[in-house]
Amino acid sequence: KAGVTQTPRYLIKTRGQQVTLSCSPISGHRSVSWYQQTPGQGLQFLFEYFSETQRNKGNFPGRFSGRQFSNSRSEMNVSTLELGDSALYLCASQGQGGTEAFFGQGTRLTVV
Amino acid sequence: AQSVTQLGSHVSVSEGALVLLRCNYSSSVPPYLFWYVQYPNQGLQLLLKYTTGATLVKGINGFEAEFKKSETSFHLTKPSAHMSDAAEYFCAVSDRQTGNQFYFGTGTSLTVIP
Repeated sequence: KAGVTQTPRYLIKTRGQQVTLSCSPISGHRSVSWYQQTPGQGLQFLFEYFSETQRNKGNFPGRFSGRQFSNSRSEMNVSTLELGDSALYLCASQGQGGTEAFFGQGTRLTVV
Repeated sequence: AQSVTQLGSHVSVSEGALVLLRCNYSSSVPPYLFWYVQYPNQGLQLLLKYTTGATLVKGINGFEAEFKKSETSFHLTKPSAHMSDAAEYFCAVSDRQTGNQFYFGTGTSLTVIP
């Protein structure tokens, strides 16, 4: 069974640009969550999608958005990038009734 | 809201020595409890979890953790450290009712000295 796949693995963007990250969950998993990991703030929850609906949202500005498609794949978008958005973005999927989250390898975003 | 405290951001042990990484949570209702490991430039890998039942849980790579409700703790241990255990370890909790948002501790970087 394939794990959680995130693309791309690395990205370099310029301040003010926007970026889209992609996540394919484990087959059959309908819940997809996104986390931001930085040295200063640690792991912070961005949002969670289930069956194409956002169920939960963390405390991030509106520049951070996401969506989920009918095949459960998810994308997150960050608009008007700031230097502070440089981070490792992790995607996780959960199965129905499952308690643990399975994480992808992450996308390392660098904003210059 | 849930919160997780990991005591010690850096822990060093000698190869073959006991590994003890501490985790305390703050919640009025015992949450689901997890330990994850992260290697450089990688995602998080689940080591073990506690949801219900036996309070001593065994995980992968020889790790185990004990849930102590009275102490609101979920410390991670391994009897004998290997060089390959060097990594970042995160304690996490999720709410029993929703279970879809994880709260992480700040992490403990484990160094194994040969």
